[in-house]
Amino acid sequence: GENVEQHPSTLSVQEGDSAVIKCTYSDSASNYFPWYKQELGKRPQLIIDIRSNVGEKKDQRIAVTLNKTAKHFSLHITETQPEDSAVYFCAVLNNAGNMLTFGGGTRLMVKP
Amino acid sequence: KAGVTQTPRYLIKTRGQQVTLSCSPISGHRSVSWYQQTPGQGLQFLFEYFSETQRNKGNFPGRFSGRQFSNSRSEMNVSTLELGDSALYLCASSRVGGGNTEAFFGQGTRLTVV
Repeated sequence: GENVEQHPSTLSVQEGDSAVIKCTYSDSASNYFPWYKQELGKRPQLIIDIRSNVGEKKDQRIAVTLNKTAKHFSLHITETQPEDSAVYFCAVLNNAGNMLTFGGGTRLMVKP
Repeated sequence: KAGVTQTPRYLIKTRGQQVTLSCSPISGHRSVSWYQQTPGQGLQFLFEYFSETQRNKGNFPGRFSGRQFSNSRSEMNVSTLELGDSALYLCASSRVGGGNTEAFFGQGTRLTVV
């Protein structure tokens, strides 16, 4: 089955700095890659996603890049703010479209 | 538009008991997936239902089962509860099962087994 690895597991940055989280996956047939943000005690919320036919997608301070050849994708957050502090999960949808496999999560802490 | 709703929010059960959790998807969403979230294991896929059919199942024992009704609402059942079943159970719905579509999560049911 699909194997998704996410790094780092924790990340501490100063407010205003950038943060980058990287995920690798194993199934080259996968073609949909969402990112979720989970604040303490709340549900995971989709913040950005990318499909295999594009290499980069941006939404304000958040961007995702995808390298299908190398089978990795990354989340980039610029100008971090304290409210960006949360756990971030990458995920990969299988080719059949019926299972999301999640990375282990990254706890991002933005220090004011 | 109402989001994904899970009931109950919290449950405390005793070892050996069984439990049923419910998930009402977003209107128009026909795919419902279930996940177990624990601090040590992250988000683990349990199963996915589409049009009342289980299309995929994760690596969990047979004590974990589910079903989906004609209105797309889904239930999951855990029998003979063990202490290790304590976790946050999340369901997610998406508009269609196949293809690349966004999945939206409910707020979860926190199950504690004592």
